Amino acid sequence: KNQVEQSPQSLIILEGKNCTLQCNYTVSPFSNLRWYKQDTGRGPVSLTIMTFSENTKSNGRYTATLDADTKQSSLHITASQLSDSASYICVVSAIEDTDADKLIFGTGTRLQVFP
Amino acid sequence: NAGVTQTPKFRVLKTGQSMTLLCAQDMNHEYMYWYRQDPGMGLRLIHYSVGEGTTAKGEVPDGYNVSRLKKQNFLLGLESAAPSQTSVYFCASSYEGTTDTQYFGPGTRLTVL
Repeated sequence: KNQVEQSPQSLIILEGKNCTLQCNYTVSPFSNLRWYKQDTGRGPVSLTIMTFSENTKSNGRYTATLDADTKQSSLHITASQLSDSASYICVVSAIEDTDADKLIFGTGTRLQVFP
Repeated sequence: NAGVTQTPKFRVLKTGQSMTLLCAQDMNHEYMYWYRQDPGMGLRLIHYSVGEGTTAKGEVPDGYNVSRLKKQNFLLGLESAAPSQTSVYFCASSYEGTTDTQYFGPGTRLTVL
């Protein structure tokens, strides 16, 4: 069964600190892995997309890594800011026999950054 | 460039009532999607469309219908609302359906009493 599991469920850090969020998946056949940021009451916003051949991708202070062998990904946030407070969702895309890949969404990690 | 917009933002229905949620995108995207997001669960795909005049079922299509009469609009209908359809509904769009980024709307919070 295709599954995406994220840890921790929630995380509290102080402004300026770094943090790492984890994503483990059992999705086959794998197409790509995405990280989204979802602010409270808003829709998700894409941070990164990585295909099988990419093992790291950055977007400003956000760096995602992918280990396709162990089926793990991480999202590292550097020098956190109050605006980083949000839910971070890991999404793994499975190749389908249709016009569109199937996206399997994790339940997210809720990050709170305090001053 | 407004991106993806959704109407309405909030709605309260009684069991058995019907309603239509409207999604519009101005990015000329071919693909459009309807998701629902429930507490403690990841987003789940209801229906999607790969182009004007086409629709396809997603993971949880029962109780919903969709139409894509114009490329920029994707409508989600509830014919007879049930309390189990209380959720936050998100529309998304993308240029293509594999590695392209999906752009999400702000969501519609629906409560069915």
